[in-house]
Formats: sequence, C-alpha cells, structure tokens
Amino acid sequence: DTGVSQDPRHKITKRGQNVTFRCDPISEHNRLYWYRQTLGQGPEFLTYFQNEAQLEKSRLLSDRFSAERPKGSFSTLEIQRTEQGDSAMYLCASSPRGQSYNEQFFGPGTRLTVL
Amino acid sequence: QKEVEQDPGPLSVPEGAIVSLNCTYSNSAFQYFMWYRQYSRKGPELLMYTYSSGNKEDGRFTAQVDKSSKYISLFIRDSQPSDSATYLCAMNHPGKSTFGDGTTLTVKP
Repeated sequence: DTGVSQDPRHKITKRGQNVTFRCDPISEHNRLYWYRQTLGQGPEFLTYFQNEAQLEKSRLLSDRFSAERPKGSFSTLEIQRTEQGDSAMYLCASSPRGQSYNEQFFGPGTRLTVL
Repeated sequence: QKEVEQDPGPLSVPEGAIVSLNCTYSNSAFQYFMWYRQYSRKGPELLMYTYSSGNKEDGRFTAQVDKSSKYISLFIRDSQPSDSATYLCAMNHPGKSTFGDGTTLTVKP
C-alpha cells in the first residue's frame, strides 16, 4: 500500500495524559499536512510542512500541540495534557512537488477519545 | 462567518438522478478548488481539482467554478448507491485547504 498511513488508528486516553500520533506520507511527497475533524464538520487545518520546515500553524493550535517532521519524511503530532475538547479525528495528508502540490492525499486518520 | 459555506443537506435521491452539490466562499484569494468524498470513519478522497472558472468533467462528475460569484458546484450524473457518502468542498490559498462542512448524500436503489 503506497498511500498515506497513520498510526495508531484509534487512541483512548484519560484527560491530562500526553499522546503522540504518527503519519507516513506518500513516498517523495514533500508537503505534509495535519487537520482535525469533529463530527459533522469539515477538516480544520492545523499545520503543514514542506520537507522538514514547518511553514504554517493555525491559531487553533494551542501551545499544547506540537508537530515535527525531523527528516522530511514521517511526521509526529503530540498533544500534551489532553482535554476532552481534543477528542476528534486527526487527519494527515501529503501532496507532491510541482504543479500538483494542491492535490492532497489523506490518510485514514487517528481517532482520539479523551475520557 | 465561515470562509466556506456548503449546502448542509442531507440529500437523498433515487438511483440515476442528477445530484448538485454547492459551496460559496468569501475569500477572493482562494485559487484552487477541490471536491472530496468521505465515507464514514475514513479519510477524505480527492475527486476533482480545478484552478480556473468554468467546467471540468471526469466521467460522471462535473466540477463548476464561478469565481465572479464565488460559487462552486459538483454535479453527479446517473448517481449510484455507491456514491452515497459525504462530499466536501475545499479551497486552497495556496497550500493549506479550507473545507466546507460537507453534504451527506444518500442514493437509494
């Protein structure tokens, strides 16, 4: 399977715990995006990387959220001191270089439940 | 007010019907317009992607963009039960995407 993969697919945690999600983009895609989606809503942009550089962060991304893409390949999204309001589907997407960079290919998502 | 507003639905049509899904937007800086299909508990799947005003056709799907009116549409001809899903419009400026909240479509056999 050469699509975007995310791990884990589901995560249940208690309020106050830290969680980390991983995203592996499509090989050779240089852009990687994180979105959050809650029930009945469209995905909301969180942040994106071009290679290893984090180019933009949403104002939605509080100080408890941090994302990295250390070698320009996989990325991690960490949420510290989780709150019930963090419960959502966290989606990762990647896009290729060149003219098609707006074509984002999404992974299956990580569903987070904070108890 | 959201930058992208999408007809909320839900929409239920008989098999074979023509479906029209619509979005409006307020940000003139949006340059690229996409339609995604999302099945329950799955990630969105890119269906159509267009840059300019006008129509773009791909099989049973036609994407229409009117930049002067800030209005985009997706038409599905000869709809099938397998088209039942949530359809999301999205717009780029450039790089990150801003999504509508989706329209859930059910095509009944």
